[in-house]
Amino acid sequence: KAGVTQTPRYLIKTRGQQVTLSCSPISGHRSVSWYQQTPGQGLQFLFEYFSETQRNKGNFPGRFSGRQFSNSRSEMNVSTLELGDSALYLCASSPWTLYRGAYEQYFGPGTRLTVT
Amino acid sequence: SQELEQSPQSLIVQEGKNLTINCTSSKTLYGLYWYKQKYGEGLIFLMMLQKGGEEKSHEKITAKLDEKKQQSSLHITASQPSHAGIYLCGAGVGSGSRLTFGEGTQLTVNP
Repeated sequence: KAGVTQTPRYLIKTRGQQVTLSCSPISGHRSVSWYQQTPGQGLQFLFEYFSETQRNKGNFPGRFSGRQFSNSRSEMNVSTLELGDSALYLCASSPWTLYRGAYEQYFGPGTRLTVT
Repeated sequence: SQELEQSPQSLIVQEGKNLTINCTSSKTLYGLYWYKQKYGEGLIFLMMLQKGGEEKSHEKITAKLDEKKQQSSLHITASQPSHAGIYLCGAGVGSGSRLTFGEGTQLTVNP
């Protein structure tokens, strides 16, 4: 089985622009979660999508949004980019929405976003 | 929110030595995940523990979950340079695919 894939792998954007990142989960997985990783804050949860619905959201401003398609592929969008948005954005997939650690969660290679 | 504390923050060992990384939660643990990350890359799933007392092994890596102590340990036997990287523990937070992560342990294995 192919793993979680993310595109693009690297991205350089200018402040004020917007960006869309894409994630394809493992075949058969229905839950996709997004995380932001920075040296200062570590790994932080952005949101989770399951069956095209946002199930959970982390403490991020409304500039961060996402969606999930009927084939479980997901995209996240960041509008009005700020320098502080520079980070590694990781997507993770699970067979089902996790409840108290019921399922394994696999991560993709990440998209490195640099905002200048 | 669930807070996870990992210790040590960094570890340097000689090849062939055994080592242990700990992950302690300030709240009840519901599923404990261990991942390995090479700098700037994605997280590689190592194992997941769900029940107190559960122990899992994969090659030379063993993880245990102690629910009473709200703690998990990751033990590497006869370490190799290929074990080098950042080890992260994550735990489930209520419902949904939301994991809270520790800050990670940077492991260096010198040949």
